[in-house]
Amino acid sequence: NAGVTQTPKFQVLKTGQSMTLQCAQDMNHNSMYWYRQDPGMGLRLIYYSASEGTTDKGEVPNGYNVSRLNKREFSLRLESAAPSQTSVYFCASSEPRTTNEKLFFGSGTQLSVL
Amino acid sequence: KQEVTQIPAALSVPEGENLVLNCSFTDSAIYNLQWFRQDPGKGLTSLLLIQSSQREQTSGRLNASLDKSSGRSTLYIAASQPGDSATYLCAVKSGAVDSSYKLIFGSGTRLLVRP
Repeated sequence: NAGVTQTPKFQVLKTGQSMTLQCAQDMNHNSMYWYRQDPGMGLRLIYYSASEGTTDKGEVPNGYNVSRLNKREFSLRLESAAPSQTSVYFCASSEPRTTNEKLFFGSGTQLSVL
Repeated sequence: KQEVTQIPAALSVPEGENLVLNCSFTDSAIYNLQWFRQDPGKGLTSLLLIQSSQREQTSGRLNASLDKSSGRSTLYIAASQPGDSATYLCAVKSGAVDSSYKLIFGSGTRLLVRP
């Protein structure tokens, strides 16, 4: 059972380059999320998708776009990378409004923008 | 605005000790609270989820309690082992309607259990 799968695991970009982080889950969850984790700042929500076909901004959406391709897949795109976007990115999924709506995380993407 | 704080930021204990990790939140109107474990270079693993109507949840050597009125949760680890070394984070899901899908995370407590 794979759970939440993220690709790539590592990426180095130059300022101004673009890239897409891919995420897929096989738990039939309705909700999916993208977080970034920075030292001393905990995890901050970038975007989320409550269900297939919907996306909403989180706490730190500037510089990012997302696509909920289908129920399984939720991608995060950096159109023009900036050094401030150097971070570890996590995708997560859950089935909200149930008695056990635990959040399941992928293993993360470590992104460096030079 | 909900804020979640975890103190201390780091903790080192000898193997076998019982220990308590703390999590505090500023707005008591929460929907649920989760405790996570994060190993270096890995994602987060949900350990325990406590609904707002519950006082505690247990899983093996772990026990999490919730006191909404005081804005506190504790994670109790019994008979700690070196394999428990990791960063432990708590996250609160607000009860506000417009934040139904948003968790607010603490910065975590980095635990080292010495053999």
